Amino acid sequence: EVQLVESGGGLVQPGGSLKLSCAASGFRFSDSAMHWVRQASGKGLEWVAFIRSKAKNYATVYAASVQGRFTISRDDSNNMVYLQMNSLKIEDTAVYYCTRPIGPANYFDPWGQGTLVTVSS
Amino acid sequence: DIQMTQSPSSLSASVGDRVTITCRARQSISTYLNWYQQKPGRAPKVLIYGASSLEGGVPSRFSGNGSGTDFTLTISSLQHEDFATYYCQQSYTTPRTFGQGTKVEVK
Repeated sequence: EVQLVESGGGLVQPGGSLKLSCAASGFRFSDSAMHWVRQASGKGLEWVAFIRSKAKNYATVYAASVQGRFTISRDDSNNMVYLQMNSLKIEDTAVYYCTRPIGPANYFDPWGQGTLVTVSS
Repeated sequence: DIQMTQSPSSLSASVGDRVTITCRARQSISTYLNWYQQKPGRAPKVLIYGASSLEGGVPSRFSGNGSGTDFTLTISSLQHEDFATYYCQQSYTTPRTFGQGTKVEVK
């Protein structure tokens, strides 16, 4: 069974940092790109970042809203993907999901259960 | 960025109704359009990928259509478990972008 489990969320002050983790299992992780998507309470889905596989040089892409503040990384030996979030803003408060793209259509499946990040003083 | 616009943003319907949600891309995305269903407190779940392919295990009352810039998600006969929020998403290019969502509520 393909499974993604996020962790690392919590309460952090504006300007602070937090590192999210996503543990993957049930598929060939090292061959897969991985994405982070977030959702503020009562709002829609916002794509955050993704990282390609080693074969594609671990290339990364970020949403403009997090560019320069967030860093996505991966550890293929442990089937983990991370999101280092620095200089956090109140508007970064959201549930953060990790997910993977599938097939030529590159749709997202599955999604993890999400981890809540709250940025507040 | 490719802006995705869904309509309506919400709708009220009854069990058994036929429901259609529209998604429009600002530029052509071929058939790189996916539909997700999300229930409160849960992660999104894919229903349709590649504009019209039904994900395994998804009931056949869900269907998708379209190419280029205009797409639709249709629920042929709404069931209790279909009251949820639906999102379209383009996977043509990065950044991946989502529509703002359509909430399907009980009439």
